[in-house]
Amino acid sequence: SQTIHQWPATLVQPVGSPLSLECTVEGTSNPNLYWYRQAAGRGLQLLFYSVGIGQISSEVPQNLSASRPQDRQFILSSKKLLLSDSGFYLCACDRGRSNQPQHFGDGTRLSIL
Amino acid sequence: AQTVTQSQPEMSVQEAETVTLSCTYDTSESDYYLFWYKQPPSRQMILVIRQEAYKQQNATENRFSVNFQKAAKSFSLKISDSQLGDAAMYFCAYRSAERQGAQKLVFGQGTRLTINP
Repeated sequence: SQTIHQWPATLVQPVGSPLSLECTVEGTSNPNLYWYRQAAGRGLQLLFYSVGIGQISSEVPQNLSASRPQDRQFILSSKKLLLSDSGFYLCACDRGRSNQPQHFGDGTRLSIL
Repeated sequence: AQTVTQSQPEMSVQEAETVTLSCTYDTSESDYYLFWYKQPPSRQMILVIRQEAYKQQNATENRFSVNFQKAAKSFSLKISDSQLGDAAMYFCAYRSAERQGAQKLVFGQGTRLTINP
């Protein structure tokens, strides 16, 4: 089964600083990868997804970007963080077959000061 | 676009009792999947149960079962014999039955479940 590693677990950054969150997957090849954001007390919002290396789709306009330099690596980035980027970021993966559920990493709690 | 609604922001139940969490959704698709995820204080998202829309039989996983009413677009979660470890945020989620490509999940707002000892 898949294992998803996310780091760091928590991060405190000043407004205007850059960001790089990393997600790696073990136990599967050619997965679909996803970045979600969860604002405090709310549900998950899909930010980006990727069906292959170098293929990124954005779901909502925002200050963030994503990249997939390797098959099992998914990176969430920003050049200049905003206060509104604070939240809990979750990486997820699945095998691309609709009857298989998504599995999630442990998440990164990002606080912008 | 599909939407998922959880109308109960918070629920509480006595330990060992049964509780039902509500979820409704809106879609024009006939084939899809529905999920319940649990998010304990550790914030990890854990799959609890899933239901294929083409199956009439309600899914069951040990103490967890669903009441899937396709015509009413309702997908409630029943937790029997509630345990302290069941305390968490519960999210209902929808996914189209696409055969290829990304399987995007649409989440409800969540229900915070408290278990009273």
